[in-house]
Amino acid sequence: NAGVTQTPKFQVLKTGQSMTLQCAQDMNHNSMYWYRQDPGMGLRLIYYSASEGTTDKGEVPNGYNVSRLNKREFSLRLESAAPSQTSVYFCASRRTEFEQYFGPGTRLTVT
Amino acid sequence: DAKTTQPNSMESNEEEPVHLPCNHSTISGTDYIHWYRQLPSQGPEYVIHGLTSNVNNRMASLAIAEDRKSSTLILHRATLRDAAVYYCILGTTDSWGKLQFGAGTQVVVTP
Repeated sequence: NAGVTQTPKFQVLKTGQSMTLQCAQDMNHNSMYWYRQDPGMGLRLIYYSASEGTTDKGEVPNGYNVSRLNKREFSLRLESAAPSQTSVYFCASRRTEFEQYFGPGTRLTVT
Repeated sequence: DAKTTQPNSMESNEEEPVHLPCNHSTISGTDYIHWYRQLPSQGPEYVIHGLTSNVNNRMASLAIAEDRKSSTLILHRATLRDAAVYYCILGTTDSWGKLQFGAGTQVVVTP
């Protein structure tokens, strides 16, 4: 089992560029999540998908869109990147009501 | 949403126990107490959760106060690998697994 994988690991964008962060899990979990983590802070929820075909906003959804492509994959898109979106992005999937498995993260810098 | 309060940092010597406190005075009757930890440059990992009774697993123990307004995560014998940020999080089973992270407690383990 690879668990939760994320691509890319690092990315540098210029303001206004777009990109998609990819996430996949091979644990057959229904629910998946996208979080961001700014320096010295805890994670904040951007979007989540309770099951295939559904997505909902989290705490900080502005500037992002998501797609639950199938049960395995949950992507996060930045349509027009801004410096305020410089952060580390974590994808997670949920094994039980209480246990989430996190990916290794994508470190994004917007200049 | 019920919030948690944790110390910013704690230090421990290797092979000694670590007691990490968490205050959650506004906890509701349906809130579970979750603990996650985040090793440097990694995504968070699940540690333990509980509702009312004390809980043990291979990683740690969770002691919950009788009035549930506080809890303590106990690492029985700290190792260098336990150096991480530890997050105490409240959540209910009907919240779609959404986790609200605070700043956590940075645990430093000294050889």
